Amino acid sequence: RKEVEQDPGPFNVPEGATVAFNCTYSNSASQSFFWYRQDCRKEPKLLMSVYSSGNEDGRFTAQLNRASQYISLLIRDSKLSDSATYLCVVEGGSYIPTFGRGTSLIVHP
Amino acid sequence: ETGVTQSPTHLIKTRGQQVTLRCSSQSGHNTVSWYQQALGQGPQFIFQYYREEENGRGNFPPRFSGLQFPNYSSELNVNALELDDSALYLCASSLPPGTTGEQYFGPGTRLTVT
Repeated sequence: RKEVEQDPGPFNVPEGATVAFNCTYSNSASQSFFWYRQDCRKEPKLLMSVYSSGNEDGRFTAQLNRASQYISLLIRDSKLSDSATYLCVVEGGSYIPTFGRGTSLIVHP
Repeated sequence: ETGVTQSPTHLIKTRGQQVTLRCSSQSGHNTVSWYQQALGQGPQFIFQYYREEENGRGNFPPRFSGLQFPNYSSELNVNALELDDSALYLCASSLPPGTTGEQYFGPGTRLTVT
């Protein structure tokens, strides 16, 4: 089993839709969790950290479920500009980050 | 922009050659991590440098080596290049390990090995 797993997609949704991605991790001792966004042929950019209590930033909501060992990202009212690959990152006790392979989102008119 | 710079942006090398990639970290960051990203995959952790010492290493052979300098800039060296080394190499700077964990990436160096 991979340390961090994501459905590669693509998720193809119309503008205005709500879409959710999950990311599962295998190391129960993992301590820090993040979502990054990567546009085609560009570098990843931090989207948001994921806190135990969950957190929201505008149209984006991230949740952590330690019991089931997954994190989620919810995007409401999708925009064309949300089209990108969303990478989840999990950090273990040694602070070494592990990236998932990413989930591709395509938002169409 | 993150303030993290990498050079060169593109590079073509022949199998068996050696390559050095460079990274300047964001002001105030003393930790640099290097990643290899193959097409269609997520970034794979190579190693991390904190205060000029290697702080962790991923599953990469010893021909991948690095350095961090007193100004926190860093180099990634790859010896005996193989075709599978063709990828985007990303560096990311951050605050010390165990603080925020948030990383800021440079634009990457695209390496092609022929």
